[in-house]
Amino acid sequence: DAGVTQSPTHLIKTRGQQVTLRCSPISGHKSVSWYQQVLGQGPQFIFQYYEKEERGRGNFPDRFSARQFPNYSSELNVNALLLGDSALYLCASSLSMSGGPYEQYFGPGTRLTVT
Amino acid sequence: GESVGLHLPTLSVQEGDNSIINCAYSNSASDYFIWYKQESGKGPQFIIDIRSNMDKRQGQRVTVLLNKTVKHLSLQIAATQPGDSAVYFCAPWGSTLGRLYFGRGTQLTVWP
Repeated sequence: DAGVTQSPTHLIKTRGQQVTLRCSPISGHKSVSWYQQVLGQGPQFIFQYYEKEERGRGNFPDRFSARQFPNYSSELNVNALLLGDSALYLCASSLSMSGGPYEQYFGPGTRLTVT
Repeated sequence: GESVGLHLPTLSVQEGDNSIINCAYSNSASDYFIWYKQESGKGPQFIIDIRSNMDKRQGQRVTVLLNKTVKHLSLQIAATQPGDSAVYFCAPWGSTLGRLYFGRGTQLTVWP
């Protein structure tokens, strides 16, 4: 079975632009979480979606938004990009929202560079 | 929230030696503590977890020790190999926390 996939792998944007990142969970997984990982830091939680509804939000500004589709894939949108948004954006999928943490599988991430 | 810290940002060991990576946490509401390994250019990969009601758990070449009294856990890697070179994160998880909290991580470098 394929793991979590994310696209694109790399992206370069200019300040003020908007970006959309995509994630496909493992087949059968209904929960998707997004994390931001700045260079030299651990991943920071942004959102969790389960059954197409937002179930959790981290301490990120409203410029960050996400959605989950009927096939459980997800998109993360970031508006009005700032230099500080440069990071690796990770998607993690799991079977359920409240399942054990060992169920969280991470994708390879999308490397976003804002210039 | 959760504060997660690691005692050393970097750790260098010789191939074949044992490695010990430490982690301190602040929130006692965690149900699990998970160790992740992140290789360059990849997402974090689950290594092993330990429930909060346990004090030791062993896996293949890895052992997790949990000391709830001082809110500290450690990951021990036996016979460290070059393929173990990566950044290691501990991440508390709990139903009340609702998400994984990662610290800065420890960069483990294994040299021949």
